[in-house]
Amino acid sequence: GAVVSQHPSWVICKSGTSVKIECRSLDFQATTMFWYRQFPKQSLMLMATSNEGSKATYEQGVEKDKFLINHASLTLSTLTVTSAHPEDSSFYICSALGTSGRKTQYFGPGTRLLVL
Amino acid sequence: GENVEQHPSTLSVQEGDSAVIKCTYSDSASNYFPWYKQELGKRPQLIIDIRSNVGEKKDQRIAVTLNKTAKHFSLHITETQPEDSAVYFCAASTFQGAQKLVFGQGTRLTINP
Repeated sequence: GAVVSQHPSWVICKSGTSVKIECRSLDFQATTMFWYRQFPKQSLMLMATSNEGSKATYEQGVEKDKFLINHASLTLSTLTVTSAHPEDSSFYICSALGTSGRKTQYFGPGTRLLVL
Repeated sequence: GENVEQHPSTLSVQEGDSAVIKCTYSDSASNYFPWYKQELGKRPQLIIDIRSNVGEKKDQRIAVTLNKTAKHFSLHITETQPEDSAVYFCAASTFQGAQKLVFGQGTRLTINP
């Protein structure tokens, strides 16, 4: 149980294009999902908290107009990187908050984005 | 906000020996401390976690200790095996509010055969 998927796993795009990444909780409902960015050999940095049916909460320094987050259902959150540039190349990982009392975060497999 | 410091950044031990990774946190309101293992290019996987009402928790070869007064917690791996080689992250969070995880910088653990 508690499986989170992400799609796509790999994406290469040209500078200036937009890329959408999907995060799904497969066997549980997640009212809260989180989006992280991880650069090579670095830690996970929280970008935003995504709550079903409401606006996402962005961390300081993260541009909300560039990283659009939508959490339209209890099993799906999407991150759209708009007008991507080479410096946006990174490993993007989502997590979904479990609904049990334990409140464990279950991570997706990540999406590697390369912007040329 | 919360700040989590993790040491060491790299750790190399002989197979069969023990490994210890330490973290400190700044926010006394944090009450949930998970540890994640991440292999190259893969998702972080929860290996053990502890709540602030417990001082120690053990699961086979892995144990975590928590000192709330000093605001630090540690991961202990005994009888290390080559498959324990990975990057380990500590994190801190609360059960209330946003429940965001703040991660430490990570420790690259290498087990030498």
